Amino acid sequence: DAGVTQSPTHLIKTRGQQVTLRCSPKSGHDTVSWYQQALGQGPQFIFQYYEEEERQRGNFPDRFSGHQFPNYSSELNVNALLLGDSALYLCASSFLYEQYFGPGTRLTVT
Amino acid sequence: RKEVEQDPGPFNVPEGATVAFNCTYSNSASQSFFWYRQDCRKEPKLLMSVYSSGNEDGRFTAQLNRASQYISLLIRDSKLSDSATYLCVVNRGTSGSARQLTFGSGTQLTVLP
Repeated sequence: DAGVTQSPTHLIKTRGQQVTLRCSPKSGHDTVSWYQQALGQGPQFIFQYYEEEERQRGNFPDRFSGHQFPNYSSELNVNALLLGDSALYLCASSFLYEQYFGPGTRLTVT
Repeated sequence: RKEVEQDPGPFNVPEGATVAFNCTYSNSASQSFFWYRQDCRKEPKLLMSVYSSGNEDGRFTAQLNRASQYISLLIRDSKLSDSATYLCVVNRGTSGSARQLTFGSGTQLTVLP
């Protein structure tokens, strides 16, 4: 049974560019959440998708947007990248209460 | 004030020692509680859920005190492989589905030979 997968593993972008990160949830999971983890900090909630709709959103600007597809996979899009967007982006999938994380995408903005 | 607060450590303990981590949360509406473990440059992995009655999984014991809004994790007989960052996590979700998880900043543990 494949766990949560994310792509790409690493990414280097320039300020002002746009990026799309992808996530496939664990089999049987219908909810996908995205988190940003800066170095030395715990993950911060960005938003959560369920039934192809954004259900909850954390304190992140509109530059961060997402999508969920009918097969439950999800994308995170970040526009107008800032240096401060450099972080590990984690996707977590869940069916009920427990969330399981993918390996993350490490984004570096230069 | 952060919603979930942990002592960042680091905790450096010898093999075989018992170590305890504490965590407090500020939102009394919080519904469920977890400890996650995160190895360096890896994703967080669920270690255990935390229940009001307390729960144990091998060498690990978790406790929840809702009145004090306090969560703890006890690791007995520490192993080298226990070295990691331990994240205290609170879910403000209501019944039926997972909501957003709020993470503490983590407590770093190093078990020394």
